[in-house]
Amino acid sequence: GAGVSQSPRYKVAKRGQDVALRCDPISGHVSLFWYQQALGQGPEFLTYFQNEAQLDKSGLPSDRFFAERPEGSVSTLKIQRTQQEDSAVYLCASSRAVAGGLRTYNEQFFGPGTRLTVL
Amino acid sequence: GQQVMQIPQYQHVQEGEDFTTYCNSSTTLSNIQWYKQRPGGHPVFLIQLVKSGEVKKQKRLTFQFGEAKKNSSLHITATQTTDVGTYFCAGPLNDYKLSFGAGTTVTVRA
Repeated sequence: GAGVSQSPRYKVAKRGQDVALRCDPISGHVSLFWYQQALGQGPEFLTYFQNEAQLDKSGLPSDRFFAERPEGSVSTLKIQRTQQEDSAVYLCASSRAVAGGLRTYNEQFFGPGTRLTVL
Repeated sequence: GQQVMQIPQYQHVQEGEDFTTYCNSSTTLSNIQWYKQRPGGHPVFLIQLVKSGEVKKQKRLTFQFGEAKKNSSLHITATQTTDVGTYFCAGPLNDYKLSFGAGTTVTVRA
């Protein structure tokens, strides 16, 4: 079956431009996560959706970052007025588990990521 | 908040040798997950450990969860070139949020 897909795979933006990154999760997966991964580091949590509800956006670095999942499937991460420090790989992951059970087998399936370079 | 720390950051291994990478938490974990990220790729789930002292094996990979549920290890025997990549452990911060370690990047000398 199809995995998580992300587009574009690579994005080069000039400082100050707005960008939109798309994530198509695995069909039927309730939970969707966005992560930021800097070079040589592990993924850092940005935000979490359960269906269309954004339950946690505590990891978003600033108010320039905005994420949505209006119909509970596809999600978009938007970054306004990009800065050089926004350069990173943005990973999307989905899970069939619903939050509420730490013992739940909540394997996350990651997409290939979007590598954002801000010049 | 809870953070998971991984050591070593880099592991250079001769093909055929064994090695172990470690994951330590400042707090007790309800479970721990391990992921592998190949160069240029994305993290892929390997395993989840839940029980104190749990040991799980996947072919040449052996995963262990400490008795106190504050540490975990991944041991690879007879390392192959296919083992190249970065291995991350991740512990839950709450019902859904994972805290990933910085990873152990493994390179293999043929």
